[in-house]
Amino acid sequence: GAVVSQHPSWVICKSGTSVKIECRSLDFQATTMFWYRQFPKQSLMLMATSNEGSKATYEQGVEKDKFLINHASLTLSTLTVTSAHPEDSSFYICSASKGPEQFFGPGTRLTVL
Amino acid sequence: QQQVKQSPQSLIVQKGGIPIINCAYENTAFDYFPWYQQFPGKGPALLIAIRPDVSEKKEGRFTISFNKSAKQFSLHIMDSQPGDSATYFCAARHTGKLIFGQGTTLQVKP
Repeated sequence: GAVVSQHPSWVICKSGTSVKIECRSLDFQATTMFWYRQFPKQSLMLMATSNEGSKATYEQGVEKDKFLINHASLTLSTLTVTSAHPEDSSFYICSASKGPEQFFGPGTRLTVL
Repeated sequence: QQQVKQSPQSLIVQKGGIPIINCAYENTAFDYFPWYQQFPGKGPALLIAIRPDVSEKKEGRFTISFNKSAKQFSLHIMDSQPGDSATYFCAARHTGKLIFGQGTTLQVKP
């Protein structure tokens, strides 16, 4: 199998606070993980590519200082949304690569009040 | 050139019907074409995938048809069931990253 978990599954926070989302590959090691953002009834938008032991690569238009990514081990990547604002409210989904395939986590619903 | 265009946006079929979802691309450097199924509030689940040197791949009730010269590929769902009602995304891979289509919302009526 290829199972990817995310924690938390949902989070509500106040504007200005920071939120950390964890992404774990449970039964395989993933050198590369990806972070996506999805708005209601829209497609997935790649935010950044996370490589174990190196700095993340961000897509154009994604603020790297706002969305901090750390890939500390072959099974764990974290996304920290710093100084969150209501416009950051979204569904955040990670994926992990196993060979040519990407397996997705269940997503994290972030609501910023 | 990095876009993947998906159609239709939505699709309604009767149980047992064969919905077909189409995708088109421009970049010939894409090297892998997966399809994902997503239920509301959940992450996408890999359904089936194909490489550009193969014209068709079948896994259970799901079939991908791939036309390299036309730069198009499609998903067929045989004997569709109400449980197949979900949003389907095609994707194409380039330098390890996936580019997603816009998604198709499928409703299978009982």
